Amino acid sequence: DAKTTQPNSMESNEEEPVHLPCNHSTISGTDYIHWYRQLPSQGPEYVIHGLTSNVNNRMASLAIAEDRKSSTLILHRATLRDAAVYYCILRDPRIQGAQKLVFGQGTRLTINP
Amino acid sequence: NAGVTQTPKFQVLKTGQSMTLQCAQDMNHEYMSWYRQDPGMGLRLIHYSVGAGITDQGEVPNGYNVSRSTTEDFPLRLLSAAPSQTSVYFCASSYSNTGWAGYTFGSGTRLTVV
Repeated sequence: DAKTTQPNSMESNEEEPVHLPCNHSTISGTDYIHWYRQLPSQGPEYVIHGLTSNVNNRMASLAIAEDRKSSTLILHRATLRDAAVYYCILRDPRIQGAQKLVFGQGTRLTINP
Repeated sequence: NAGVTQTPKFQVLKTGQSMTLQCAQDMNHEYMSWYRQDPGMGLRLIHYSVGAGITDQGEVPNGYNVSRSTTEDFPLRLLSAAPSQTSVYFCASSYSNTGWAGYTFGSGTRLTVV
């Protein structure tokens, strides 16, 4: 699995936008970029994923650089409930069988009221 | 819409005891997995299944057994609990094994082996 690099922690204020970066300079042409988050004492929760184009859903937006070597998860209006550890993960659809999601250390996001 | 349900939420075992962690999903997902999460470490894959009757080992399978007799259920069995198996266990499911499919996780079972 290709490696991703994320800041250990970030802090933001409630009702402000949050941009969570992820570097994946060794990404292959077929890797999908997935984001999960893990709230305190909960299991990981799927947030969003994309391949080349920017993606939006009800939870967040994913902005993917043109060279795909980095991406940014955007929370448009952070709430206290968004405080969690956010994981950026690459998944190759060609790999069958070993369904291993490789969770790194992620970014611990703190939201200030 | 229950999603992935894990039971129990908490369990304390004595060394050498056996137990089964239950996992059930109601989304008709073919793919199910078990992960463990230890402090300071990411989730590690224990076992996974690509459908009823088909299971395989993940990254850290020693000391654990699984079976998949139905699409809905994927229990994880600890044969003889050891303190090294103290961890939080997560079950996950997905409709596809491909790179574009997301996973749904349960809320976890926190296991302590004394």
